[in-house]
Amino acid sequence: DLQMTQSPSSLSASVGDRVTITCQATQDIINYLNWYQQKPGKAPKLLIYDTSKLETGVPSRFSGSGSGTNFTFTISSLQPEDVATYYCQQYDNLLQFTFGPGTRVDIK
Amino acid sequence: QVQLQQSGPGLVKPSQTLSLNCDISGDSVSNKTAAWNWIRQSPSGGLEWLGRTFYMSKWFRDYQLSLKSRLTINPDTSKNQFSLQLRSVTPEDTAIYYCARAYFDGSGYYFDYWGQGALVTVSS
Repeated sequence: DLQMTQSPSSLSASVGDRVTITCQATQDIINYLNWYQQKPGKAPKLLIYDTSKLETGVPSRFSGSGSGTNFTFTISSLQPEDVATYYCQQYDNLLQFTFGPGTRVDIK
Repeated sequence: QVQLQQSGPGLVKPSQTLSLNCDISGDSVSNKTAAWNWIRQSPSGGLEWLGRTFYMSKWFRDYQLSLKSRLTINPDTSKNQFSLQLRSVTPEDTAIYYCARAYFDGSGYYFDYWGQGALVTVSS
């Protein structure tokens, strides 16, 4: 089974800081990687799809990159409304969707 | 605008069957560029994909391998909805259950619309 890891599991940063989250797969991801934001009591929200494409309406401070087994999600300038948990997700050739364990982002 | 509205009981007894429905508006369950999914989130927070159904000349279903023997996901074209049945539940199946649309853009699938979520507790 393809497994996903995320690091860090949590972070605390100041408003305006650049925040980077990594997602690593145990084998090459042939299909693309997606990123979601989840705030308490809400459903996850799609931010980035196909590794680096910004979902409509999502602020441009969010971005994604990567290939193979290593992927990165970046918030270029952290805002108070970005406090949330972020998940990566992929779809493998066994027709299975897998989410990473999540990264909790707080304001310092 | 696609909207997904979930319904179903919030409490299920151990060994019984958990059943949820997801009503679709703004799209069709037969849309060939979409798959209709169930995802759950345990009390510890992790997201687990359960399965999906989609139409591509005929109906297909894919399930989380570890749950395949207990899961059924079915479309209902007359009501434009899809359903989840999870049999023989235990307290470990207690979670928030989400329905979600996975859109296929030619490259891969991504979950772009989600239901509101429903907490289902398994307890006697």
